[in-house]
Amino acid sequence: AQRVTQPEKLLSVFKGAPVELKCNYSYSGSPELFWYVQYSRQRLQLLLRHISRESIKGFTADLNKGETSFHLKKPFAQEEDSAMYYCALSGTGTASKLTFGTGTRLQVTL
Amino acid sequence: DTGVSQDPRHKITKRGQNVTFRCDPISEHNRLYWYRQTLGQGPEFLTYFQNEAQLEKSRLLSDRFSAERPKGSFSTLEIQRTEQGDSAMYLCASSLTSGAQYFGPGTRLLVL
Repeated sequence: AQRVTQPEKLLSVFKGAPVELKCNYSYSGSPELFWYVQYSRQRLQLLLRHISRESIKGFTADLNKGETSFHLKKPFAQEEDSAMYYCALSGTGTASKLTFGTGTRLQVTL
Repeated sequence: DTGVSQDPRHKITKRGQNVTFRCDPISEHNRLYWYRQTLGQGPEFLTYFQNEAQLEKSRLLSDRFSAERPKGSFSTLEIQRTEQGDSAMYLCASSLTSGAQYFGPGTRLLVL
């Protein structure tokens, strides 16, 4: 079975502070991991895909297969980063459905 | 706007009524997905299509739910005999084969 765990419902940081949103997963094969973001009153948007190894809006995430984690990091938080962040997993093969975590709300304050 | 679109954006219905939602994917995307999201939870997979073929259905999708994608373009999701527990946000997403999924704005359903 596929499972994604985001242990924090809310993460509050000051502007300019580092951010780490935790994501752990359970999957028996080789998963593909994603981070999606939802800003207030907007649709769910793809932020990162682990196979792309990109940095988007200053965010990075490294897949750690040993710890089964895919934590999202940013060195300096900005006010505009305040949003709901969802970690998601897709299995290998043709079954590409996404399994989402429950999400973490990031609140960046001055 | 060339993104995924959904209609209606909001639907209020009485228990026992049937409702139908529509999703228009990004035009070149051959895969289309339906998810359901309730308060405090992440989206949960319901079903997906590759072109017009429905390839997988979740156990969440009871026999009151049916989805179609007749010409491999837009899709409809119908809920028959709605129940209060069906109240949720219904999300549609589309992708290329093995591509990332792009989501629509969702249809919020409230069953009274």
